[in-house]
Amino acid sequence: GEDVEQSLFLSVREGDSSVINCTYTDSSSTYLYWYKQEPGAGLQLLTYIFSNMDMKQDQRLTVLLNKKDKHLSLRIADTQTGDSAIYFCAESMDSNYQLIWGAGTKLIIKP
Amino acid sequence: EPEVTQTPSHQVTQMGQEVILRCVPISNHLYFYWYRQILGQKVEFLVSFYNNEISEKSEIFDDQFSVERPDGSNFTLKIRSTKLEDSAMYFCASSDTGTYEAFFGQGTRLTVV
Repeated sequence: GEDVEQSLFLSVREGDSSVINCTYTDSSSTYLYWYKQEPGAGLQLLTYIFSNMDMKQDQRLTVLLNKKDKHLSLRIADTQTGDSAIYFCAESMDSNYQLIWGAGTKLIIKP
Repeated sequence: EPEVTQTPSHQVTQMGQEVILRCVPISNHLYFYWYRQILGQKVEFLVSFYNNEISEKSEIFDDQFSVERPDGSNFTLKIRSTKLEDSAMYFCASSDTGTYEAFFGQGTRLTVV
């Protein structure tokens, strides 16, 4: 079946760039999402990208999609302590939000 | 900023009891969803709801589960005869027509004892 894989932890220094990686198996994935979950909070949609795009940039966030390798990445420039959270990658085949989720990557910021 | 609210934040119930998890979606949204996350596992899709009926459901969403929009504001998930393995964080979400952005609530942690 479909699967989405992520590393469980990423540790970066404050001010550096963070790159969170995700791989997925379903070649018919059409929509790919990044969600952020801060402690005690819900799931916040950060950004999404359509499968016909290679890149999407939104302020400090850059999403890169390599459809051939089924690899998605989220780059956070100038990482701040407020970026500490779990970042989830998710995909779906259509817009009905029947999402397949990764396990989440916990981003740890070192001073 | 509008938000999805879920109540209660934590519910403890005895095995075999019925629970109702409540959600108030964003007021002008038309699509509603339930997801769950068992501790240590991935978030899983349960069901999507549109126009007063289920539009998609996963294998998890069996006869033990039901959803309802009893009035113009609430969206509920009912779990009948709860089992220990129903213990999880349950997330409600809503989205507007024609967008790919769903807003999630903070979740209800259900503990079945």
